[in-house]
Amino acid sequence: EAQVTQNPRYLITVTGKKLTVTCSQNMNHEYMSWYRQDPGLGLRQIYYSMNVEVTDKGDVPEGYKVSRKEKRNFPLILESPSPNQTSLYFCASSLSTGPYEQYFGPGTRLTVT
Amino acid sequence: GEDVEQSLFLSVREGDSSVINCTYTDSSSTYLYWYKQEPGAGLQLLTYIFSNMDMKQDQRLTVLLNKKDKHLSLRIADTQTGDSAIYFCAERTPGNTGKLIFGQGTTLQVKP
Repeated sequence: EAQVTQNPRYLITVTGKKLTVTCSQNMNHEYMSWYRQDPGLGLRQIYYSMNVEVTDKGDVPEGYKVSRKEKRNFPLILESPSPNQTSLYFCASSLSTGPYEQYFGPGTRLTVT
Repeated sequence: GEDVEQSLFLSVREGDSSVINCTYTDSSSTYLYWYKQEPGAGLQLLTYIFSNMDMKQDQRLTVLLNKKDKHLSLRIADTQTGDSAIYFCAERTPGNTGKLIFGQGTTLQVKP
């Protein structure tokens, strides 16, 4: 089954404790992206990757890191999480040709206390 | 700047048609999409339309695009209780970022 998976689905952590949210897709998509969803703000792009070893900042990259060592994986790293990073996070992937249909993972709900 | 706007709430009776509206500002958008989000779930791509099309039909879904007015709508025929969800429209920004600009989402409530 074609899908985007994320782990963990739920995470409660404390300020400053490094964490990684994993994202994996099995569709051989070149493009992958991370979004965060906040009430009243909608979905905002954090980072994206056009292909292996190619990453770039989205609209809200502060406090996040990513890497793309393999085509299928695109982990999101929070080196020192803060409470303002409490949010619902989505990973997405697509081909790099039209219609660029982005497929989303199930989401990771992160709470930083 | 880039902006996508939707009304926040729509309530319909089961069996009626639902029409969810969206306006966007970037006239250079190439693709526009409709996503569905059910409680506790991710975003499910429902359909998309290319900017040189006026209409696209896919089973119970009809997408209308008025490029002059930058207006997009999603019509769901014979709405069912299982259609209750949040519906997002999104536009793909030009260039290589692949970024989707999402509206705030419209909560569709279907009453039996």
